[in-house]
Amino acid sequence: NAGVTQTPKFQVLKTGQSMTLQCAQDMNHEYMSWYRQDPGMGLRLIHYSVGAGITDQGEVPNGYNVSRSTTEDFPLRLLSAAPSQTSVYFCASRKQGLSNQPQHFGDGTRLSIL
Amino acid sequence: KQEVTQIPAALSVPEGENLVLNCSFTDSAIYNLQWFRQDPGKGLTSLLLIQSSQREQTSGRLNASLDKSSGRSTLYIAASQPGDSATYLCAVSMDSNYQLIWGAGTKLIIKP
Repeated sequence: NAGVTQTPKFQVLKTGQSMTLQCAQDMNHEYMSWYRQDPGMGLRLIHYSVGAGITDQGEVPNGYNVSRSTTEDFPLRLLSAAPSQTSVYFCASRKQGLSNQPQHFGDGTRLSIL
Repeated sequence: KQEVTQIPAALSVPEGENLVLNCSFTDSAIYNLQWFRQDPGKGLTSLLLIQSSQREQTSGRLNASLDKSSGRSTLYIAASQPGDSATYLCAVSMDSNYQLIWGAGTKLIIKP
């Protein structure tokens, strides 16, 4: 059971470039989300999805797009990379509808914008 | 607006000691609270989840308590080991939509 898989693990971009961070889970979880983690701060929610075809914004959505065409995949797109988007990005998933279900995290994508 | 605070930001203790990590939150109307562990260069692993109706949860050498009225949770680690060295984060959710609000974490170092 692979859990939550994120690719790539590392990426360096130039300002203005676009890219897609991939996230896949094999646990049939309805809920998926993207966070960014910056030094000295808690994780901040970028976008989330409660099922295929449904997405919504989190705390810091600007500059990012998401889509959820399948239950398994939840890609995050950076439209025009900026140095402020240098961060570690985590994808997470969980079973929806039960209060005792923890979130499962991928190992993260470390992104640097030059 | 809910705010989650973890103090101290870093803690170093000798191996074998029992220790307590703290998490405080400003709005007591939480849905649940989770403790996570993060190893360097890795993702987060859920350690314990306490639902709003519960007072504590235990897993092995770990015990997490919840006092909603005072806005506090503690993570107790018994007989600490070097392998416990990691960053520990707590997060609360306010409703069944389960959006997590995070503390910045406590970096724990257990000295052999």
